[in-house]
Amino acid sequence: GQQLNQSPQSMFIQEGEDVSMNCTSSSIFNTWLWYKQDPGEGPVLLIALYKAGELTSNGRLTAQFGITRKDSFLNISASIPSDVGIYFCAASYMNYGGSQGNLIFGKGTKLSVKP
Amino acid sequence: NAGVTQTPKFQVLKTGQSMTLQCAQDMNHEYMSWYRQDPGMGLRLIHYSVGAGITDQGEVPNGYNVSRSTTEDFPLRLLSAAPSQTSVYFCASSRRIGSSGNTIYFGEGSWLTVV
Repeated sequence: GQQLNQSPQSMFIQEGEDVSMNCTSSSIFNTWLWYKQDPGEGPVLLIALYKAGELTSNGRLTAQFGITRKDSFLNISASIPSDVGIYFCAASYMNYGGSQGNLIFGKGTKLSVKP
Repeated sequence: NAGVTQTPKFQVLKTGQSMTLQCAQDMNHEYMSWYRQDPGMGLRLIHYSVGAGITDQGEVPNGYNVSRSTTEDFPLRLLSAAPSQTSVYFCASSRRIGSSGNTIYFGEGSWLTVV
């Protein structure tokens, strides 16, 4: 089945650092989404991308829909302590027979604060 | 997590018991889905619905039933709980998957333990 390979699995951040994570797949998608999940909460949508090559920002967050439609990255600039959490990429494909596509998720990138 | 309400938040079941996780949304969304989240596995789709009266299986449907008698509600039933169903369950809804400008909302999660 389709899979999203998300990396890195985990990373430590120091306040002020920039952070990058990405998702890749061997399949083509027409929607890429990035979510953040805090402990004990559901995922919250950060950025949605709907066109190949699209670059979208949401405050300090920037995400891009890869031109091949098989990948996406998320950058966080000037990280702050409240950025810690788990970040998930998700992608959707459309069934061209007309039915709805479904989201598949990467396994997440866990951001923690450097000790 | 605007508009998607899940109950209960926590539940402990004995093996073989049945129960229903409730999900309701008040945004008149066509699309609703259930995911389970396990450590290191990301979110996996159990069942989904593209509208009242229409349901379909996702990636991991075994042991679960769903129905969609109204637009607002999408309950998930565990027929005979097994320890392998210990997980965190998330309900999600959206106007339509893959549409430009669409947003997918998640509930806050239901933590289920089967002993």
